Parts: sequence; structure tokens; C-alpha cells
Amino acid sequence: GAGVSQSPSNKVTEKGKDVELRCDPISGHTALYWYRQSLGQGLEFLIYFQGNSAPDKSGLPSDRFSAERTGGSVSTLTIQRTQQEDSAVYLCASSLKRNTEAFFGQGTRLTVV
Amino acid sequence: GESVGLHLPTLSVQEGDNSIINCAYSNSASDYFIWYKQESGKGPQFIIDIRSNMDKRQGQRVTVLLNKTVKHLSLQIAATQPGDSAVYFCAEISGYSTLTFGKGTMLLVSP
Repeated sequence: GAGVSQSPSNKVTEKGKDVELRCDPISGHTALYWYRQSLGQGLEFLIYFQGNSAPDKSGLPSDRFSAERTGGSVSTLTIQRTQQEDSAVYLCASSLKRNTEAFFGQGTRLTVV
Repeated sequence: GESVGLHLPTLSVQEGDNSIINCAYSNSASDYFIWYKQESGKGPQFIIDIRSNMDKRQGQRVTVLLNKTVKHLSLQIAATQPGDSAVYFCAEISGYSTLTFGKGTMLLVSP
């Protein structure tokens, strides 16, 4: 597709379950970002991948959160043992390289019940 | 100043007015800045960007001004339309750091 694609668009899960969120960036984009946005809030940085470099994981809120990017393309954000405070919209963005415009997907709305 | 939680700074304007949305950024080493528009239920949408070697850049109905001395960024929207109603975020990149977002301003345009 032409844009950043995220799946699923909505996810409801029970507290304590693990979830995986997927991001398909724009083809050829070397930079990929994950953000979290709670209702009415700004974007909280989670993790950043740039090419083959080690990812910047400085924004991950706890060791329950992890992400990987396979083959420099698709990325998966995994949240283990979900908690209610994990409920938010998880946004993925990609850019051609670091200092260029980043394009966002529509996000995955995660609800932990 | 900035607000947190559900109380985003809000700018209310009439259709046809010019709007100015302001952003104070934190890192004097930031060298690239972007303005995003986010409508309800959607991901942020790129509006315009500017690099630190510039102080002004114009697009269609939008102008971004950068004042590095006071670390201030503004977005000017000419002839604001109801479709411009959204939350607007500024974002910055510095060195090898990631894209960092401000807290956002809600723009409400009345017909």
C-alpha cells in the first residue's frame, strides 16, 4: 500500500494476556517509530528503529514492552501481561531516513479489560 | 503555557480568520521540526516542516516560523476553515535523537 498500515485497528484483551501489534511501514523507509497516545494526550515515544542500527528503546515504559523489526521492514510491538493502564492508541510511523518527514498509520486502539 | 491530561490548550477562531498556533521546544540542538494535524480517531498527518537553517517556510495556506533564539515555533493558518479543526502538534529532532512531540493545541473553527 501507499501508506503506513497498522493491524489490528482495534484490540480488546483481558488483563494479563499478551498482545502483538503490527506495523507495515512505507516501502523503502529506513526509520520506524512507535508511539503511544492516551485519550486527550500527546504522543509518548516508545521505540525507534533506524536501518540496521541498534534500536533506541529508551521510551519503553517497562520490560513488559518489546518490539522488533524483521528484515528492515515490518515491525511488531509486543506487550506482555497487559495491564489496564496499557489501554491507549499505539501509533507507528516511518520515514525515508532520520531527518525527513514521518508518516503515521491510523493506529491500533488497545483496550485492556 | 502547556496543559496536561484532557485539558489541551485550545484556540477558538471564526471561519476566515487567520490562526496562529505556538510551540516552545526544549532542545537547542534540534535541527528539524515538523507540524502535524490530528483529527479525531486518526493518526497524525504531516502539514509542513522546517530545518534549523531556515526561519520561515510557506506552504498552501500555512506558514511555519522558527525562532531559534527563544526556541519557539509557530504555525500560521490563513483563512481558517472548519476542516482545519483538529489537534496540532509540533515535533522536533536533534542529533541522533528520535522525533519528540509537544503536547498539542486544539484548534476549533466556528462557521
